[in-house]
Amino acid sequence: KQEVTQIPAALSVPEGENLVLNCSFTDSAIYNLQWFRQDPGKGLTSLLLIQSSQREQTSGRLNASLDKSSGRSTLYIAASQPGDSATYLCAVHNTNAGKSTFGDGTTLTVKP
Amino acid sequence: EPEVTQTPSHQVTQMGQEVILRCVPISNHLYFYWYRQILGQKVEFLVSFYNNEISEKSEIFDDQFSVERPDGSNFTLKIRSTKLEDSAMYFCASRPGYEQYFGPGTRLTVT
Repeated sequence: KQEVTQIPAALSVPEGENLVLNCSFTDSAIYNLQWFRQDPGKGLTSLLLIQSSQREQTSGRLNASLDKSSGRSTLYIAASQPGDSATYLCAVHNTNAGKSTFGDGTTLTVKP
Repeated sequence: EPEVTQTPSHQVTQMGQEVILRCVPISNHLYFYWYRQILGQKVEFLVSFYNNEISEKSEIFDDQFSVERPDGSNFTLKIRSTKLEDSAMYFCASRPGYEQYFGPGTRLTVT
């Protein structure tokens, strides 16, 4: 059974800092991994998706890496801004058309 | 930019009643999903749907739950006899290739 863990559970940083969010998963036989952002009371916004054959993906100030063999992914946020404050979720898609397993999320607060 | 839409945004129902949650996926997407998130807890997979049939379902998705794609645009989740523990945010998602796109959710409150 796939289990996904995200560390830390919460993080508070001053504006402008670079930061790393961590995601680990127990079963390395994944199809792909997706990072989401969730604002309070809202839906999930896709940030980055990494295929199982890829090592990293970049979008603007965000960079996600994947190390399947060690069961780890990281989300790097450069030059953080108050608007980045949200909960960041990691989701492992185990098969093409089937189940996805989510972590508990990391709640990020960026202080002006 | 096309979005996944869900209706209603909030549904209040009494225990034992049937509810239908509606989703309109993005038009050219082929894979459809339902998830739920109980307040303060993880997002949990319920069911995936492809080519007009269920691809995979979780242990949560028991006989009380069903999904349907009644026409070319809608994707519904039916809960036949709601329980208090069904109170949660229900999210629909769809994807064309690999990346899942989520709707804003329906908050279901069972009293």
